[in-house]
Amino acid sequence: LAKTTQPISMDSYEGQEVNITCSHNNIATNDYITWYQQFPSQGPRFIIQGYKTKVTNEVASLFIPADRKSSTLSLPRVSLSDTAVYYCLVGDIRAGGYQKVTFGTGTKLQVIP
Amino acid sequence: GAVVSQHPSRVICKSGTSVKIECRSLDFQATTMFWYRQFPKKSLMLMATSNEGSKATYEQGVEKDKFLINHASLTLSTLTVTSAHPEDSSFYICSAYISSGQLREGNTQYFGPGTRLTVL
Repeated sequence: LAKTTQPISMDSYEGQEVNITCSHNNIATNDYITWYQQFPSQGPRFIIQGYKTKVTNEVASLFIPADRKSSTLSLPRVSLSDTAVYYCLVGDIRAGGYQKVTFGTGTKLQVIP
Repeated sequence: GAVVSQHPSRVICKSGTSVKIECRSLDFQATTMFWYRQFPKKSLMLMATSNEGSKATYEQGVEKDKFLINHASLTLSTLTVTSAHPEDSSFYICSAYISSGQLREGNTQYFGPGTRLTVL
C-alpha cells in the first residue's frame, strides 16, 4: 500500500486559493488518488479522484504530475466552512481489484476570516 | 451522489453489553464495505473489510470475536461490538465501495456519517 505524506496543518484567509500537496513516492501503476474532507464527528466526504494530469469538478481541482509521485488538491476561494481535515488516499480502486486504503495523518485546514 | 447511512448515530451503553451498528448503502449495491474506528484528533484506522456473502477480513490487532461483522446483503453490513468496555469507546465509521457503472462517481468508496459509541 502506497504511503502518503501531507502537511499536518495549514492556515488560509477566506477567499484565497488553497493548495494541499500529498507525496506518495511508492504509488503503483494501478493506484488512483482520492481526496476526502472530514468535519469533526462526521464521516469523510469524497472530494475528487484522479489517475494522472488534471481533474476538475464543482468543488476542487486535482493536479497530478507525470511521475504521479505527488498530487495537489486545489480549493478555489475557500470559505470558513472549508475548515476541515483533508485526507489524500492512494490505492487500486478498479472494479474487481479494489484494495483497502490506509489513511494518513491528513491536513487540518484552518480558514481565517 | 452516493449515500451511505449508519444507525445509530450515537449510542451509550453499559460495560459488558453488546452494541450493533448498521451500515447501509441507500442508492447502490456494495459488495465491499469497510469498517473504521477513529479516536479524537486521530486519523481513521481500518478495522476490517466486509464482503457480501463471505467472512470479513480483519486487520492485524483487531479481535474478530469482539468486533463481529456481518454483510448479509448488498446494501447492509453490521458491526457488533460484543462485551463492550470503556476502551471500546470511539467513533466508528463505515464505507461502501461503488464499482463503475452504478453511479457517475464510480470506483471509489463512500463513507457513512459515523457512530459515536460511549461505553460507561
